[in-house]
Amino acid sequence: DTGVSQNPRHKITKRGQNVTFRCDPISEHNRLYWYRQTLGQGPEFLTYFQNEAQLEKSRLLSDRFSAERPKGSFSTLEIQRTEQGDSAMYLCASSLGGQAVLSSGDEQFFGPGTRLTVL
Amino acid sequence: RKEVEQDPGPFNVPEGATVAFNCTYSNSASQSFFWYRQDCRKEPKLLMSVYSSGNEDGRFTAQLNRASQYISLLIRDSKLSDSATYLCVVRIGYKLSFGAGTTVTVRA
Repeated sequence: DTGVSQNPRHKITKRGQNVTFRCDPISEHNRLYWYRQTLGQGPEFLTYFQNEAQLEKSRLLSDRFSAERPKGSFSTLEIQRTEQGDSAMYLCASSLGGQAVLSSGDEQFFGPGTRLTVL
Repeated sequence: RKEVEQDPGPFNVPEGATVAFNCTYSNSASQSFFWYRQDCRKEPKLLMSVYSSGNEDGRFTAQLNRASQYISLLIRDSKLSDSATYLCVVRIGYKLSFGAGTTVTVRA
């Protein structure tokens, strides 16, 4: 399968624990995005990477959240000291874009998501 | 105010029926417009782009009215497999903004 992959697919954790999710984009895609989706809502933008550079972080991404894309390939999203309000589906998407970092780029392809439940 | 507002439905229609729904967006700087489809507990997938001139893809017709900041989707001859949540999406630069989705259920 050459699509976007995410691991784990499901994560159940206790409040206060740290969790880390991984996203592997489509191999030639230079852009990577994280979104969060809660029940009954559409995905909300969290952050954007062009290659290894993190170019935007949403205000939704509190200090407890950190994302990396160290070699411009896979990305990780870490949540420290999880809270019940962090329970959501975390979606990763990738696309192919030009050098102009603010340009639209091509279609964003989404991974299957990581469903986080914080007890 | 949310950037993209949609009628949540649900729309419950028999097979073969036509169903139409729409969304509005608030940012006049929005550059591109899409409908995504999301099946239960799955990731969103691009259904079609939306253009001011209107465009069709098989049984699906999308329309954009930039002046009114209004986007519509019409599904003709509904199939059971069309049951899903349809997300209205606008793009400014690289960033996508999603509506909350309109749920469509097609019954036999």
